[in-house]
Amino acid sequence: QAVLTQPASLSASPGTSPSLTCTLRSGIIVGSYNIYWHQQKPGSPPQYLLRYKSDSDKQQGSGVPSRFSGSKDASANAGILLISGLQSEDEADYYCMIWHSSAWVFGGGTKLTVL
Amino acid sequence: EVQLVESGGGLVQPGGSLRLSCAASGFSVTSKHMNWVRQAPGKGLEWVSIIYSGGNTDYADSVKGRFTISRDNSKNTLFLQMNSLRAEDTAVYYCAAGVDYWGQGTLVTVSS
Repeated sequence: QAVLTQPASLSASPGTSPSLTCTLRSGIIVGSYNIYWHQQKPGSPPQYLLRYKSDSDKQQGSGVPSRFSGSKDASANAGILLISGLQSEDEADYYCMIWHSSAWVFGGGTKLTVL
Repeated sequence: EVQLVESGGGLVQPGGSLRLSCAASGFSVTSKHMNWVRQAPGKGLEWVSIIYSGGNTDYADSVKGRFTISRDNSKNTLFLQMNSLRAEDTAVYYCAAGVDYWGQGTLVTVSS
């Protein structure tokens, strides 16, 4: 079982507020980790969006709009990236990441399509 | 302004070697944990290696014993020496400073 699991794809309409999930493998407790999120558009390198550990311990990437935000669902053992007021330019691949056992671990990525 | 520029990619035969460079500007490579991350064609991101600001290193199991990460403080440059290359090492290789700055990447193709 992968350390981080993300849905392969998600579609949403402009103006909506989709949530992208990143589920941690059983036994790896989401509350103990910083969850990082990166955005990647075709032909471009990844771009750091934000880090989220808790509401009192989080960081927004430089220049990243505030409509991108992080949270956690402890009951689902998952990190969440919320995009408020979806725009067409948000169409991209989104990767979650944690630092685990002296290594960066990435989720498989979610391809977000803006309808 | 932070900038990372990778170079050194190209076509190499299986079993061959290649050395990637990542020239940094706007900060010192000794001040951040520096990483190499790769992305195979059409695939997701895979972490390769890290050199901590203090100089220690770590590697993904898939490259351990074949790849070596290093830095030249005087040139403010990060390196990745890749030996015994395999077809599955084919990817765009990105250097990243901490978690928040990424280079544009350099393509490594391992093929006969």
